Amino acid sequence: QLQLQESGPGLVKPSETLSLTCTVSGGSISSSSHYWGWIRQPPGKGLEWLGNIYYSGSSYYNPSLKSRVTISVDTSKNQFSLKLSSVTAADTAVYYCARHDADTREIDYWGQGTLVTASS
Amino acid sequence: EIVLTQSPGTLSLSPGERATLSCRATQSVSSRYLTWYQQKLGQAPRLLIYGASSRAAGIPDRFSGSGSGTDFTLTISRLEPEDFAVYYCQHYGNSPPTWTFGQGTKVEIK
Repeated sequence: QLQLQESGPGLVKPSETLSLTCTVSGGSISSSSHYWGWIRQPPGKGLEWLGNIYYSGSSYYNPSLKSRVTISVDTSKNQFSLKLSSVTAADTAVYYCARHDADTREIDYWGQGTLVTASS
Repeated sequence: EIVLTQSPGTLSLSPGERATLSCRATQSVSSRYLTWYQQKLGQAPRLLIYGASSRAAGIPDRFSGSGSGTDFTLTISRLEPEDFAVYYCQHYGNSPPTWTFGQGTKVEIK
C-alpha cells in the first residue's frame, strides 16, 4: 500500500523559507504514471494546490505562488521536497504531499498532512 | 483562469436523505479532468470520483458523479453517518498545467 509522509519544521519565522520533505513508501517515485506534489489548507479554509513534479524533474507550479515555490525530487531516496520562500502568516497551513495520476490527473494518494505555522 | 464555485456552502440533511452537491466552472472544462474529494474533520482528503463520473477504488455506489461543460454534480443517494464531511470538486487545466479546487460544500447532520 502506497504511503506518503511529510516531515519538516512545524514553525517558521516570517521572511524565512519553509522546507518540507515527503517520503514515499510502498511504491516508486520514479513511476512514469504519476506526478508528486503539494497542496495546502489554511486552518478552517479550503484546499490550494501549490505544484508538482515528475520523476524526471519537470515541474508545474500554481501561478499565484510560482515566484516563491520550488519542488524538487530525489529518486535515490524516494523523496520529493517543497520550499516556499519569504513566508508570512498567510502561509500558515496544513501542508499535504500527494500523488497525482499523470493520465487522468486526479490526486489519488495523500499524506496525513503537517501543520506549519509562520510566526516569530 | 477557471474558477470552480460549489453550492450550497452548507447542506443540512438527515441520514438516509439524498444529497446533491453542485460544482460550476466559469468556462467549459473537460469532464475527463473533473474530480471530487471527501474530507472528514482532521483528515486528509480522499478521492471519491474522477473523470466526472468514475468512482475511485473502494468508494460505495451510493456516491455518483455527473455533468459536463460547466455544470457538475456529486450525488449521495442515501446519506450514511460517515458521509457527513466536506466535499471538494477539482479541475485540471492545461494552459498552464494547474489543479484548481472549489471552495467546498459541507454536508452536516440536520
